[in-house]
Amino acid sequence: GAVVSQHPSWVICKSGTSVKIECRSLDFQATTMFWYRQFPKQSLMLMATSNEGSKATYEQGVEKDKFLINHASLTLSTLTVTSAHPEDSSFYICSAHVQEDEQYFGPGTRLTVT
Amino acid sequence: GESVGLHLPTLSVQEGDNSIINCAYSNSASDYFIWYKQESGKGPQFIIDIRSNMDKRQGQRVTVLLNKTVKHLSLQIAATQPGDSAVYFCAENWGGGNKLTFGTGTQLKVEL
Repeated sequence: GAVVSQHPSWVICKSGTSVKIECRSLDFQATTMFWYRQFPKQSLMLMATSNEGSKATYEQGVEKDKFLINHASLTLSTLTVTSAHPEDSSFYICSAHVQEDEQYFGPGTRLTVT
Repeated sequence: GESVGLHLPTLSVQEGDNSIINCAYSNSASDYFIWYKQESGKGPQFIIDIRSNMDKRQGQRVTVLLNKTVKHLSLQIAATQPGDSAVYFCAENWGGGNKLTFGTGTQLKVEL
């Protein structure tokens, strides 16, 4: 089956710094990837749609200047949390669209901002 | 199940019993539905899907039922095992562009 990886699996950073999270499709190409955020005991909330070679589309309420998304190739999308604050601490999950309606999810990245 | 605040609804079942997890979806225009299983600290794992032109679909030990009239989705797990313990989410695809909207989730606990 299709495999999606994320790096790092967890990261701790200081308030005010930026952190980059990578999402890779390992054995397939994905023109579209999605980024989700999940707070403890809550559901996944879609943040943005990442399209290869074009600008990301952000969901309402998500600050595009704070959450920078780059989909530079068909196998890699990155999410950069800029000027991170403790309230940005969350579980960030990406998914890759394969074909028709199929999506495969990455293992997630735990971000803790101190 | 419905969720209020930060508390996930919990379903506790005995090992070997059947489990039924419910989900109310939001948009009558949704045409594709998926059930995911999420273990602690991991990403969602696909379980089974169903399209809006069907009302039932069966997989290995799992069955999904769709009632479009009341916008209700259920996941039935037969002979529940300890390894089934996880949070289960339903998701719907309605907006086009393959975007998914997730339900609130249900914590399934399997008791030995």
